[in-house]
Amino acid sequence: GQQVMQIPQYQHVQEGEDFTTYCNSSTTLSNIQWYKQRPGGHPVFLIQLVKSGEVKKQKRLTFQFGEAKKNSSLHITATQTTDVGTYFCAGLSLRDDKIIFGKGTRLHILP
Amino acid sequence: EAGVAQSPRYKIIEKRQSVAFWCNPISGHATLYWYQQILGQGPKLLIQFQNNGVVDDSQLPKDRFSAERLKGVDSTLKIQPAKLEDSAVYLCASSLGGRATNEQFFGPGTRLTVL
Repeated sequence: GQQVMQIPQYQHVQEGEDFTTYCNSSTTLSNIQWYKQRPGGHPVFLIQLVKSGEVKKQKRLTFQFGEAKKNSSLHITATQTTDVGTYFCAGLSLRDDKIIFGKGTRLHILP
Repeated sequence: EAGVAQSPRYKIIEKRQSVAFWCNPISGHATLYWYQQILGQGPKLLIQFQNNGVVDDSQLPKDRFSAERLKGVDSTLKIQPAKLEDSAVYLCASSLGGRATNEQFFGPGTRLTVL
């Protein structure tokens, strides 16, 4: 069945360093969404990417969707303590319209 | 705008007991989702409703889990009987559109502990 893999599983960075998480799907996607979940909280929508090769920016966050629409990345520039949390990608399969979440990347910021 | 409401927030039961969770989505949202999130993992879709019809329940363990969305608004998810491995946070989410192409708004979740 369809799988969505995220790497790394955990990332510890010094405050001010950059951070990147990668999402890879075993099948072609219609779109991909990114969510952030703070410790003890619920997922909160960040962005949706639809077009092949699409790049979107939100302040210090840059999101990319691969040309083959099977992979995506989230890059945070100059991390801050408010960036702590787990970042999930969620892919919508082009073939069967099923949505699959990745296992997430947990970001921890060292002061 | 009120968010997605869920109750209860916490539930502790013994294995083989029954439990039910309630979700009230954002007003006007056609699509409602129930997810199971086991500690350290991503949300796993259990069932997706569009209005009061089921769109996808392929990952719902139908021998013990059931869900309904009467009148296309509120929804309940039931587990009967519960097993130890059902311990998880059960998240309800809703979105405006009919396909999972729209932003999903999540509720606070119900944390279930099965002893």
